[in-house]
Amino acid sequence: SQELEQSPQSLIVQEGKNLTINCTSSKTLYGLYWYKQKYGEGLIFLMMLQKGGEEKSHEKITAKLDEKKQQSSLHITASQPSHAGIYLCGAPTWNTDKLIFGTGTRLQVFP
Amino acid sequence: GAVVSQHPSWVICKSGTSVKIECRSLDFQATTMFWYRQFPKQSLMLMATSNEGSKATYEQGVEKDKFLINHASLTLSTLTVTSAHPEDSSFYICSARDWGDQETQYFGPGTRLLVL
Repeated sequence: SQELEQSPQSLIVQEGKNLTINCTSSKTLYGLYWYKQKYGEGLIFLMMLQKGGEEKSHEKITAKLDEKKQQSSLHITASQPSHAGIYLCGAPTWNTDKLIFGTGTRLQVFP
Repeated sequence: GAVVSQHPSWVICKSGTSVKIECRSLDFQATTMFWYRQFPKQSLMLMATSNEGSKATYEQGVEKDKFLINHASLTLSTLTVTSAHPEDSSFYICSARDWGDQETQYFGPGTRLLVL
């Protein structure tokens, strides 16, 4: 079965610093979703990547999918306290609608 | 953007009772909805796929007689936890796929269940 591993598990950064979260799949990815979750709340869709080498940006967040389609990174530039939360990567399994999720990365941003 | 709601947002019940959780797509039609379970500090685990007008598909290890799913319309799926026990206490989240945007799943805010 496919597994997604995220690193780091947790991250504490000072406001204004850049950071990167990685998501590595045990199998080829057919798509990769990034979500943000605040504790005890639902998931907020950030971005979806499909093609090898694809890169998307929204405000200060950039996500990339590597050429081999087995790893994705999420980069936040000039982090703010509002970026704090749990970041989850999710991937559809082959030929299904189902998503499997990574282990999550807990981000804290202090002033 | 697409909005998914859940009701209730939290519920406390006695052991042995049944609890129904609703998942609604507010501004789009969803032929497929998904139910997830999340334990503290853990990731989401898919429980079942809910298909409008047909039986739900359950993941391995999920008891279909305990977690009843009904997807009666294109905007509503319900999850009923029957004869709830303390070990069923968890955070339940649903997601829905927009019929017009098959690539993205939108998530509800979640329902926190505590079984005493």
